[in-house]
Amino acid sequence: GQQVQQSPASLVLQEGENAELQCNFSSTATRLQWFYQRPGGSLVSLLSNPSGTKHTGRLTSTTVTKERRGSLHISSSQITDSGTYLCAMVGTGSKLSFGKGAKLTVSP
Amino acid sequence: EAAVTQSPRNKVAVTGGKVTLSCNQTNNHNNMYWYRQDTGHGLRLIHYSYGAGSTEKGDIPDGYKASRPSQENFSLILELATPSQTSVYFCASGDQGRGERLFFGHGTKLSVL
Repeated sequence: GQQVQQSPASLVLQEGENAELQCNFSSTATRLQWFYQRPGGSLVSLLSNPSGTKHTGRLTSTTVTKERRGSLHISSSQITDSGTYLCAMVGTGSKLSFGKGAKLTVSP
Repeated sequence: EAAVTQSPRNKVAVTGGKVTLSCNQTNNHNNMYWYRQDTGHGLRLIHYSYGAGSTEKGDIPDGYKASRPSQENFSLILELATPSQTSVYFCASGDQGRGERLFFGHGTKLSVL
């Protein structure tokens, strides 16, 4: 089946530093999506990106579908950015397959 | 903002019992999904649906059934619950026409004893 690998699995930053999260996938994808999961469970969609670079606020998503990889850049991290970031690839039939997530901890 | 509501939020079931998890969305989205999330595995797709009356098997469908009686409602059914089905279950809805942005419910924590 479709596989999605995320790295790093965890990341600790000081407030103001930038974060770079990577996502690699094993089969053809039409787009990558990034989600944020709050401590406690609910998931929020951050960005949906079929290819190239997309920005929203302090987030930049880059997707290179031909190379089966993508990334999420978080600039000037804040304490409230702490949580888990999940990458999901959209494959055939609109199915989303998720990576295991990257846990981000931002300290003062 | 789109709304996806799951019920119950917490459930304790006995082995061999029947469990039904319900999901309601008010977004008029065609696609709905059931995932489970376990430590070390991330989110895994159980069943999904393209619209009322349709259900499709996801990556881990064994032991689960799904029902989509209407555009708004999508249920996950465990006919004979087992302890291995103890997990947190998430329902999501999405509209492919809008780039398949998914909206998730708050999750159901299921414990099978």
